[in-house]
Amino acid sequence: KQEVTQIPAALSVPEGENLVLNCSFTDSAIYNLQWFRQDPGKGLTSLLLIQSSQREQTSGRLNASLDKSSGRSTLYIAASQPGDSATYLCAVTLEGAQKLVFGQGTRLTINP
Amino acid sequence: DGGITQSPKYLFRKEGQNVTLSCEQNLNHDAMYWYRQDPGQGLRLIYYSQIVNDFQKGDIAEGYSVSREKKESFPLTVTSAQKNPTAFYLCASSWMANTGELFFGEGSRLTVL
Repeated sequence: KQEVTQIPAALSVPEGENLVLNCSFTDSAIYNLQWFRQDPGKGLTSLLLIQSSQREQTSGRLNASLDKSSGRSTLYIAASQPGDSATYLCAVTLEGAQKLVFGQGTRLTINP
Repeated sequence: DGGITQSPKYLFRKEGQNVTLSCEQNLNHDAMYWYRQDPGQGLRLIYYSQIVNDFQKGDIAEGYSVSREKKESFPLTVTSAQKNPTAFYLCASSWMANTGELFFGEGSRLTVL
């Protein structure tokens, strides 16, 4: 059974810092991995999608990497801003499966 | 604007009542999903549909029912058989089942009184 873990559960950093969020998964036979952002009481917003054949994806100040062999992905946020405060979730799709498996998220707080 | 619309945003229900949550998308996506989110438990899949008139149970389908009569609509009914229905419900869609980016609605919060 695929399990997705995000550590830490919560993170608080001062504005301007670069930071890394971690996501690990137990089964390396994945089809893709997605990073999402969720603001309190809201739905999820897709940030980056990495196909299994890719090593990384970039969007603005965000960079996501994928290492299938080690079962890890990281989300790098450069020059953090208070508006980046949210919960960040990763999710993987197993090859041949029809659903995503989500981690429990990392709640990020950027302090002005 | 393309997107997913969920309604109502907030819903209160008495025990023993069935309620239906609406989910409509205008993204022309084939696949649609319903997730439940509880504090500390992440998102869990209730039902999903890859095509009109077809749907499959997810991990926690007991006490729920769905229909997919139109491509753009995937309503979820929370029945009285669901033991603990108070939760945040999220609808999502993708171009094809799990081959692309997943888009979410804003969610519906159901509270059972």
